[in-house]
Amino acid sequence: AQKVTQAQTEISVVEKEDVTLDCVYETRDTTYYLFWYKQPPSGELVFLIRRNSFDEQNEISGRYSWNFQKSTSSFNFTITASQVVDSAVYFCALSEAGTYKYIFGTGTRLKVLA
Amino acid sequence: GAGVSQSPSNKVTEKGKDVELRCDPISGHTALYWYRQSLGQGLEFLIYFQGNSAPDKSGLPSDRFSAERTGGSVSTLTIQRTQQEDSAVYLCASSFDSYSYEQYFGPGTRLTVT
Repeated sequence: AQKVTQAQTEISVVEKEDVTLDCVYETRDTTYYLFWYKQPPSGELVFLIRRNSFDEQNEISGRYSWNFQKSTSSFNFTITASQVVDSAVYFCALSEAGTYKYIFGTGTRLKVLA
Repeated sequence: GAGVSQSPSNKVTEKGKDVELRCDPISGHTALYWYRQSLGQGLEFLIYFQGNSAPDKSGLPSDRFSAERTGGSVSTLTIQRTQQEDSAVYLCASSFDSYSYEQYFGPGTRLTVT
């Protein structure tokens, strides 16, 4: 069965600190996709990254980086030198090949304090 | 191009009334999803449309909820005889195809049932 766990309900950091948001997934499929979305206070979910199960390369985009490890079924998200504008709820999601359903985690609320 | 649009942005209705929520997906996107997000909660899948295939309604919480998608584009989510527990933000998303593509979300409709 598909499942996405974001164990961190809320994280608070001080601006300029690095922070890692954890995502652990469960799937029996060998082909699947993982996603991260950001939901700022305005409410609209913003797509951040998609990763397929055959590509374990880590990805860096500016201050954002993602660490995909199939061995631990994790797809963690790190923000380097956090800023107040990073304050949002972040969702991790999973979809399997051959199914249309995306399974979202419960989200992690990140608060970056000035 | 334009993103996913939803209307109205806010809707306040009395208990027992019917409401219609509208979603305009991104042009060319064949997959359309409806989710519900209660205050501070994650995303609850409601229904999925893909091209001309029969929709998957397995996420609809009761028979008071229904949705249609006309001409493979615009979708309407209807809630009949609204109850207070229906109060939530209703999010629509579209994607180029299913499972392997990221979803793009609309701004949501905040429904308040008094």
